[in-house]
Amino acid sequence: KAGVTQTPRYLIKTRGQQVTLSCSPISGHRSVSWYQQTPGQGLQFLFEYFSETQRNKGNFPGRFSGRQFSNSRSEMNVSTLELGDSALYLCASSDRQMNTGELFFGEGSRLTVL
Amino acid sequence: QKEVEQNSGPLSVPEGAIASLNCTYSDRGSQSFFWYRQYSGKSPELIMFIYSNGDKEDGRFTAQLNKASQYVSLLIRDSQPSDSATYLCAVPTGGFKTIFGAGTRLFVKA
Repeated sequence: KAGVTQTPRYLIKTRGQQVTLSCSPISGHRSVSWYQQTPGQGLQFLFEYFSETQRNKGNFPGRFSGRQFSNSRSEMNVSTLELGDSALYLCASSDRQMNTGELFFGEGSRLTVL
Repeated sequence: QKEVEQNSGPLSVPEGAIASLNCTYSDRGSQSFFWYRQYSGKSPELIMFIYSNGDKEDGRFTAQLNKASQYVSLLIRDSQPSDSATYLCAVPTGGFKTIFGAGTRLFVKA
């Protein structure tokens, strides 16, 4: 079974630009969560999507948004990038129907904002 | 108060020793608790989960849960240099939102 796939793996942007990150969950998993990981803050919850609907949202500004498609693939977008947005963005999929709570993480997209 | 708290470490133990990692959580209604391991430059991977009070053993790993004290721990017996990583305590809240602790960095010295 293929794992969680995130693209791109690395990207460099400048302040004010926007970025779109993509996540393909494990086949059959309909829940996709996004996390921001920085050395100072650890793993911070951004949002979770299930069945194309955002079910939960973390404490991030509106510049951070996402969506989920009918095939469960998800994208997140960050607009008007700031230096502080430099981080590793991790996507995790889970099988809500199994209700174990286990998250399967992708390798992440490392964003550098200059 | 943070929802999930861990000592950031680093925790350094000699090879063969027991490493003890601790985590406290604030939501008394939490039902399940997870430990993830994250190697440097890699993504987190699940190593243990526990639902019930008491101990749960899996190979060299033992998770301990005390809901009354809102405390969960992970013991690693016979620690190996390959166990050197950051260990993340994670607590799912209602609605499939999982909160992570900041992680404890573990170094196992050969």
